[in-house]
Amino acid sequence: GESVGLHLPTLSVQEGDNSIINCAYSNSASDYFIWYKQESGKGPQFIIDIRSNMDKRQGQRVTVLLNKTVKHLSLQIAATQPGDSAVYFCAEKVGGTSYGKLTFGQGTILTVHP
Amino acid sequence: GAGVSQSPRYKVAKRGQDVALRCDPISGHVSLFWYQQALGQGPEFLTYFQNEAQLDKSGLPSDRFFAERPEGSVSTLKIQRTQQEDSAVYLCASSLVVNYGYTFGSGTRLTVV
Repeated sequence: GESVGLHLPTLSVQEGDNSIINCAYSNSASDYFIWYKQESGKGPQFIIDIRSNMDKRQGQRVTVLLNKTVKHLSLQIAATQPGDSAVYFCAEKVGGTSYGKLTFGQGTILTVHP
Repeated sequence: GAGVSQSPRYKVAKRGQDVALRCDPISGHVSLFWYQQALGQGPEFLTYFQNEAQLDKSGLPSDRFFAERPEGSVSTLKIQRTQQEDSAVYLCASSLVVNYGYTFGSGTRLTVV
């Protein structure tokens, strides 16, 4: 996949604002998508997932939207808090594999200012 | 245990040295993955185990990389004759059910000098 080295996309917001993080995925055969949050020195932490037969899924303060036509995924975080500051990755699982091999996107750095 | 445990947390190796990285998955988890995460990038798939069987090793970058899970629980990723380009965070993930519900460990940060 495309590599951007250290120059990850960044998003800076004020506490209380809503955040939208976007991801373009590569494989039209992907049938399952996950958003992960990764804080410094930690492994990716599951936020929310969505299957390809859905367009939208909501969790607590988070919503994932899937547009299969343009192969686009977004994560919306409501009332963003300083604790939401992290790198966010989308990941896709290609359909047809009998196990859950994931392909990760490049990541977006979210910074929430108090 | 409560989560996926990886050890050591940090490893500094001299170029040419062999290293072994350990992953203790969540008890009872069938699936186990190894990923490599270079600085500033997303994790990249290395290999997959279902119980003790290594079903996919297509992501291993060279024959210097070897992984095992002999009893279907603990897994070890071994890198022989380490090179500077091997410097990365190595992440382990496990899941109870094949295909969904992955939990990642905190990773081992390998630095080759």
